[in-house]
Amino acid sequence: DSGVTQTPKHLITATGQRVTLRCSPRSGDLSVYWYQQSLDQGLQFLIQYYNGEERAKGNILERFSAQQFPDLHSELNLSSLELGDSALYFCASSSSGLVQETQYFGPGTRLLVL
Amino acid sequence: AQSVTQLDSQVPVFEEAPVELRCNYSSSVSVYLFWYVQYPNQGLQLLLKYLSGSTLVKGINGFEAEFNKSQTSFHLRKPSVHISDTAEYFCAVSEPRTGNQFYFGTGTSLTVIP
Repeated sequence: DSGVTQTPKHLITATGQRVTLRCSPRSGDLSVYWYQQSLDQGLQFLIQYYNGEERAKGNILERFSAQQFPDLHSELNLSSLELGDSALYFCASSSSGLVQETQYFGPGTRLLVL
Repeated sequence: AQSVTQLDSQVPVFEEAPVELRCNYSSSVSVYLFWYVQYPNQGLQLLLKYLSGSTLVKGINGFEAEFNKSQTSFHLRKPSVHISDTAEYFCAVSEPRTGNQFYFGTGTSLTVIP
């Protein structure tokens, strides 16, 4: 158990809908990362937050947005969903958000868009 | 942007035999290198990382990797595998000078045969 929790574990929705994925980092960690893992695109870094502020942005679509709240939990919002958004979404956390730090991954949220 | 190539998508190996999982990255600029393991239905877990110093890095579960700057490679090795090593292995690269982006390879599925 990494100490990172993600809810829900599974999510099934329809095209055009909007969903919110939630992540709680390990106790004491200030930085949260979001990743997407799909069969066709592999594992992709989406975005990183540190203590409520966006720190780095990867291949995140404009239809997707994220935020980190004062209690350090983070939410990833996916809107206007398409079939291709079906994937496993991981959250990870680290203590200070430095690139050389170990990231601790949650178990993921599996999203299926029908 | 970096690209990370894991040359073997699937590697079957007999129990107690040695294994090498190959990883090459595209840019020769200063990089940090990581290997992660993903067990079935779980998140990723850090095996080892190279930040600087000795080119031979030792990680958890008996794995080690060697950084070769001239060949832009970071191959993962284990002298004797166990059934429990069956998992997906991901190589990842980050360029500290350009920020906190992470680039992952497509993964290598290691299957240990009894």
